[in-house]
Amino acid sequence: QVQLQESGPGLVKPSETLSLTCIVSGASIDKSNYYWGWIRQPPGKGLEWIGHIYYRGTTDYNPSLNNRVTVSVDTSRNQFSLKLNSVTAADTAVYYCARPYGGYILSWGQGTLVTVSS
Amino acid sequence: DIVLTQSPGTLSLSPGERATLSCRASQSVTNNYLAWYQQKPGQAPSLLIYTASNRASGIPDRFSGSGSGTDFTLTISRLEPEDFAVYYCQQYGGSPPYTFGQGTRVEL
Repeated sequence: QVQLQESGPGLVKPSETLSLTCIVSGASIDKSNYYWGWIRQPPGKGLEWIGHIYYRGTTDYNPSLNNRVTVSVDTSRNQFSLKLNSVTAADTAVYYCARPYGGYILSWGQGTLVTVSS
Repeated sequence: DIVLTQSPGTLSLSPGERATLSCRASQSVTNNYLAWYQQKPGQAPSLLIYTASNRASGIPDRFSGSGSGTDFTLTISRLEPEDFAVYYCQQYGGSPPYTFGQGTRVEL
């Protein structure tokens, strides 16, 4: 069973870059025919799909994030990462790493709250 | 982008009652690629239904999904105490971005 665990700073200053990592266990990230993705949820609000990466490196991002997003894979560490630059308070959210399967989400990390504040 | 509108916003019911949740899409969802998730406080969402009507592994048969095109429904036939939660629909047809509805809260 694939398990996902997010890690990264819980506080980021406005205009800086949010960086999170998702550690994958139970599957080899470069040997599985999987997508790996990120979803976020502002406090008290709904879910927003951020983007995903295919294990071979193809990416898709939500255009609403205005080209601020990068998702990448580190096969040597069996993990994948999210970078969101030029953050504002509107980027404050719980960030989930996830394993999409054909688009729906089969596995979720537990989520990590990232607050954007000076 | 496809906009998903869920109704009602909140459903107040009692254990043993039937819950009917609606998800309406702004345009037809390709191949009925519509999923439903349950989210409890402080937890990540969990998959209930995919491709409109297929129950995910381990999901009790009191949960059922139906619909096609732009109108989809999640039905919980007899509410159990653990079913009180927020439910989201998500469409994943066609090209990204994949979008979610705003959620329906099922409360006691």
